[in-house]
Amino acid sequence: AQRVTQPEKLLSVFKGAPVELKCNYSYSGSPELFWYVQYSRQRLQLLLRHISRESIKGFTADLNKGETSFHLKKPFAQEEDSAMYYCALLIQGAQKLVFGQGTRLTINP
Amino acid sequence: NAGVTQTPKFQVLKTGQSMTLQCAQDMNHEYMSWYRQDPGMGLRLIHYSVGAGITDQGEVPNGYNVSRSTTEDFPLRLLSAAPSQTSVYFCASSYGSVYEQYFGPGTRLTVT
Repeated sequence: AQRVTQPEKLLSVFKGAPVELKCNYSYSGSPELFWYVQYSRQRLQLLLRHISRESIKGFTADLNKGETSFHLKKPFAQEEDSAMYYCALLIQGAQKLVFGQGTRLTINP
Repeated sequence: NAGVTQTPKFQVLKTGQSMTLQCAQDMNHEYMSWYRQDPGMGLRLIHYSVGAGITDQGEVPNGYNVSRSTTEDFPLRLLSAAPSQTSVYFCASSYGSVYEQYFGPGTRLTVT
């Protein structure tokens, strides 16, 4: 069964501290994973995809097939990073995205 | 471009009432989808469409109907609203890749 799990509903860190949002997946095929972000009063938007291996707004995420994880990391959190973050798995051939439960990140000043 | 638009923004229904949530996009996107967002549940796919005349079910299709008569519009119908359908509904569209979806602003629905 395909499933995405984000174990933390809420995560609170201080400005300047490192942040890591956890994402684990279950999928029998070759996984393609993404992080989406929803800032307050804004629309949900794609943050990054694992294939691109790029850093967006200082965030990176590495796919670890052995641990079936795709954690989102940033070395120094900023207040504008406060948002709802969703991890998502592409179900290939089915034209579907499966989302995790979401983690609300709060960066304290 | 208006992007993805949804109407209404807010709606309150009584149990058993029916209504249609509207979704439109002006980007000529073939793929359109409906999600519901519930606390602790994340976003769950209700229905999706890969083009006009083609629709398919997502994870939680029960209680919802869709049709896609044009590329631009993808309405979501609640036939007989239930309190369990209280949620925030998001419509999204994309041109080529499913993951590069543009999301609408959402409709907050309360069923009493």
